[in-house]
Amino acid sequence: AQSVSQHNHHVILSEAASLELGCNYSYGGTVNLFWYVQYPGQHLQLLLKYFSGDPLVKGIKGFEAEFIKSKFSFNLRKPSVQWSDTAEYFCAVKHKGRDDKIIFGKGTRLHILP
Amino acid sequence: DAMVIQNPRYQVTQFGKPVTLSCSQTLNHNVMYWYQQKSSQAPKLLFHYYDKDFNNEADTPDNFQSRRPNTSFCFLDIRSPGLGDAAMYLCATSDPFGRSGSGANVLTFGAGSRLTVL
Repeated sequence: AQSVSQHNHHVILSEAASLELGCNYSYGGTVNLFWYVQYPGQHLQLLLKYFSGDPLVKGIKGFEAEFIKSKFSFNLRKPSVQWSDTAEYFCAVKHKGRDDKIIFGKGTRLHILP
Repeated sequence: DAMVIQNPRYQVTQFGKPVTLSCSQTLNHNVMYWYQQKSSQAPKLLFHYYDKDFNNEADTPDNFQSRRPNTSFCFLDIRSPGLGDAAMYLCATSDPFGRSGSGANVLTFGAGSRLTVL
């Protein structure tokens, strides 16, 4: 079965620290990859996505993610976090060419200390 | 603004008493999804529609049903809610072709409906 694994369930960092959140998926075919973010009290919203081309994608608010096909990974990074990055982050995968299912990981709760 | 609207935001029901959650969209997206999200867990896909084509996940209990009478609306019916069905229910839409400007296969979520079962 398709699955998405996020390794870090709860991360606490100080402002200006660097961030990397892990995401691995289980499917070997062509995939669309996403990171969604949910700020406290708000909807889930798209942070960035990868469909094809340059495996290093840049999203909003200084976030980026790198698709490494050989590792089935799509880790999220930010060089210097801010207090306003406190949120829950979800990795999601759609298997290209199959049905329209988009599967989510369990999420990582990120808490930034001011 | 184009958006996905879920009603009600909060629903309290008694054990076994049916509930209906609604979702409407102004994006004209082909695909509508229902996810169940429990605390500290991944949003779990219950089912989705591509236009009127219904796609049920194999592990979605029969207790959960859905209707999509037209492009704009989709309903989640829980026939006999149990305590284990207490969760946030998320509606999302997507356009597989990216025609609406939101990007192909990018999900636009509603605010969710939080269900409490007493």
